[in-house]
Amino acid sequence: GDSVTQMEGPVTLSEEAFLTINCTYTATGYPSLFWYVQYPGEGLQLLLKATKADDKGSNKGFEATYRKETTSFHLEKGSVQVSDSAVYFCALDNYGQNFVFGPGTRLSVLP
Amino acid sequence: SQTIHQWPATLVQPVGSPLSLECTVEGTSNPNLYWYRQAAGRGLQLLFYSVGIGQISSEVPQNLSASRPQDRQFILSSKKLLLSDSGFYLCAWSGLAGYTYEQYFGPGTRLTVT
Repeated sequence: GDSVTQMEGPVTLSEEAFLTINCTYTATGYPSLFWYVQYPGEGLQLLLKATKADDKGSNKGFEATYRKETTSFHLEKGSVQVSDSAVYFCALDNYGQNFVFGPGTRLSVLP
Repeated sequence: SQTIHQWPATLVQPVGSPLSLECTVEGTSNPNLYWYRQAAGRGLQLLFYSVGIGQISSEVPQNLSASRPQDRQFILSSKKLLLSDSGFYLCAWSGLAGYTYEQYFGPGTRLTVT
C-alpha cells in the first residue's frame, strides 16, 4: 500500500537557521503531496501542497518540490523563527478517499 | 468558507464509562469524514472514515465505533472506555480543491481515561 516516510526528530535549530525535513513516499499512480503543521494542543493545518511532478508548493516562507524521480517532497525554509516550532507531517492522497500521513517531525527553534 | 467543529475540547473519563465525541462541518456538502487518534508524541492513527450518511469504514478493530447520522455530523463513541483510549482525537473532512482533494482538521479533543 501507499506509505510516507519522514526523517525522525526532534530537529532542534537556532533562529534564522536553514531547515530541511526530508520526506519520501511510496505510491502507485500520481498522488498529491502535502505538508501539514501541528502547533501544540491544536489540530493539523495544511501548510502547502503539490499536485504533479516538478510542482513547487509554498506558504509562509516554506517550500517543497514534488520530485517524482526520487519520490520525495522535502520541506525547506531559509530562515526559521521560534514561532515555527511545531510538528510537521508529510502526507499523500491517492484518489481522494484516504490520506496517508508520515509519522511527523518535531521541530524546536531556539532563540 | 468551511469550518469544522469538535467538542468537547477536553474530557476526563473513568475506565469503563461511555464516550461520545461530536464533529460537525459547515460550509460544504457530502464531505468525506474521518476520525484519527494521536497518542502523546506520536503520529496519526486513522480510526474511521465515512463517504456518506450511514457509511462507516473501520480501520482499526477496537472498542470504539462511529456513526454519521447526518451529512455533516460525525460521532465517535464507546460503550466502555479503556486506559489505552487516552489520546488526542481529531476529526477531519476532505473535499475537492480544484482537481485534487485536500483534508482539513478540527481543533481536536484531548481525552484522558483515568
